[in-house]
Amino acid sequence: DAGVIQSPRHEVTEMGQEVTLRCKPISGHDYLFWYRQTMMRGLELLIYFNNNVPIDDSGMPEDRFSAKMPNASFSTLKIQPSEPRDSAVYFCASSRDYSTLTDTQYFGPGTRLTVL
Amino acid sequence: QKEVEQNSGPLSVPEGAIASLNCTYSDRGSQSFFWYRQYSGKSPELIMFIYSNGDKEDGRFTAQLNKASQYVSLLIRDSQPSDSATYLCAVPPYGGATNKLIFGTGTLLAVQP
Repeated sequence: DAGVIQSPRHEVTEMGQEVTLRCKPISGHDYLFWYRQTMMRGLELLIYFNNNVPIDDSGMPEDRFSAKMPNASFSTLKIQPSEPRDSAVYFCASSRDYSTLTDTQYFGPGTRLTVL
Repeated sequence: QKEVEQNSGPLSVPEGAIASLNCTYSDRGSQSFFWYRQYSGKSPELIMFIYSNGDKEDGRFTAQLNKASQYVSLLIRDSQPSDSATYLCAVPPYGGATNKLIFGTGTLLAVQP
């Protein structure tokens, strides 16, 4: 199993530019999560999907952020326009159903975003 | 009050000692609790979960849960320099009714050789 795949691993862009982060979850996982991690705020859940449908986007900071999951094997997180305060590491994670209370989320390697 | 609280550290322990990492949570309905380890520049990885009061042991790691006090801890016996990392406590909110996890900000552990 290849694990969760994210691209790009590093992204440097200028303020005002559009940024698109990509994620391929583990095959067979029904849930996909997007997180943002900063030193100040820790690991924050932005949005998560179940069977390609957005379930909870209450963590999306503002309208500049959007996420899609067109199929079970691909998701994108888009920031338009980007701002310096968006600089962070963005993680994608996937999991099976939590109904057993014991399954967990598997994280991708992350995308380190720097907005100048 | 934050939903999941951890002391940010750093917690410094000598090699071979016991490291004790603590986490408190606010949701009394929480049923399961997860400990993740995150090495610098890497992604979080699960090391243990617990959902019953008491202790759960896995090798050098022991998770301890006290639901009455809303407290979960992770003990690392015979600490090694390779254990140096940030340890994140995670709790599903709403008693696990959703598939979200709320993470604490993590405790940085430094094991001194």
